[in-house]
Amino acid sequence: DVQLVQSGAEVKKPGESLKISCQGSENSFRGHWVGWVRQLPGKGLEWMGVVYPDDSDTIYSPSFQGQVTLSADKSTNTAYLQWSRLKASDSAMYYCARGRPFDYWGQGTLVTVSS
Amino acid sequence: EIVMTQSPATVSVSLGEGVTLSCRASQSVRSDLAWYQQRPGQAPRLLIFDASTRATGIPARFSGSGSGTDFTLTISSLQSEDFAVYYCQHYLNLWTFGPGTRVEIK
Repeated sequence: DVQLVQSGAEVKKPGESLKISCQGSENSFRGHWVGWVRQLPGKGLEWMGVVYPDDSDTIYSPSFQGQVTLSADKSTNTAYLQWSRLKASDSAMYYCARGRPFDYWGQGTLVTVSS
Repeated sequence: EIVMTQSPATVSVSLGEGVTLSCRASQSVRSDLAWYQQRPGQAPRLLIFDASTRATGIPARFSGSGSGTDFTLTISSLQSEDFAVYYCQHYLNLWTFGPGTRVEIK
């Protein structure tokens, strides 16, 4: 069965960098896009972008282009979402999900950015 | 960029009643349209893809229809576990979500 397991909750300060991960079960990413979705507290789902682990191709939402970096390591079936300089407004739940559309989801990673 | 809208924002329904949710795309997305359910404190779950195909394990009381720009999700005979927020998403070129419809207990 396909499982996506995300890294644990993070508490960071503004200006710090962060990289969170999403590991899929064996071969679960092969031939699939892997996406990231932001959910601000009490708000809806926002698609951030996707990465294709087979060749590391990426597509970003215009709203997130330049704000985050998506990457993947196909040897470990792991996708990553990273920030170089966090802002308080980045505090949210972040989900990874596989496919087009998103047929399997991770459990979510809560990111809190506060001074 | 294709913009997705959903209506209504919130709907109140009694147990056992049916409800129809609407989703509209600002330009045609063919049938590249999915519906998700998100219960409080949980990750979203895929219900419908390709506008009308139920995902694995999804009960038959969930049905989707439409193509082009106008889509509907119908839930017949609501159960307690169906009270949640429902999102549509197109995946024609990007993967854009609609703002969601909250289904509440009347």
